[in-house]
Amino acid sequence: GQSLEQPSEVTAVEGAIVQINCTYQTSGFYGLSWYQQHDGGAPTFLSYNALDGLEETGRFSSFLSRSDSYGYLLLQELQMKDSASYFCAVTEGYGQNFVFGPGTRLSVLP
Amino acid sequence: NAGVTQTPKFRVLKTGQSMTLLCAQDMNHEYMYWYRQDPGMGLRLIHYSVGEGTTAKGEVPDGYNVSRLKKQNFLLGLESAAPSQTSVYFCASHENTGELFFGEGSRLTVL
Repeated sequence: GQSLEQPSEVTAVEGAIVQINCTYQTSGFYGLSWYQQHDGGAPTFLSYNALDGLEETGRFSSFLSRSDSYGYLLLQELQMKDSASYFCAVTEGYGQNFVFGPGTRLSVLP
Repeated sequence: NAGVTQTPKFRVLKTGQSMTLLCAQDMNHEYMYWYRQDPGMGLRLIHYSVGEGTTAKGEVPDGYNVSRLKKQNFLLGLESAAPSQTSVYFCASHENTGELFFGEGSRLTVL
């Protein structure tokens, strides 16, 4: 079966940098993606890694190490609007199946 | 460009009633998914489809049925609703990339 682990909660202050880790156990790994979800809203795509290394998209970066079954999402220059839940998701089976982690609730304090 | 549209957005059912949730996407995506999300939890896959006329079971398929008669539509059915099916349901689609496009969600309460 598949399993993903993330910290349940992270707290940081405005302007800071925060890293949210994700470890996974799965068969047929294809890629790792990250989604943001505000309370009452739908998940929205942030980043995707199919290969080892760092992907940068504005203030957000995502990293993947396939050999370690590990990835992280890095959020820089935190803003109040970044307070949300963040989910990692493993893509399996040649992109057919997405399995989500339990989510990390990020609180950004003034 | 509407993306992924779910109807209805809210519904209250009594135990034993049936209903269908409709998901429509206008991006010509092959892959479509139905997830459920319970308070404070992640998304769990119910069923998915890799193309018109195909469906497959996900992690929590019991009590649900699906159909993909047209490429742009993916229907989720509850034949006999139970209180345990109270949840927020999200439809999503993608085209063999890492990016899932989600609908706004359908909030279902079963009394």
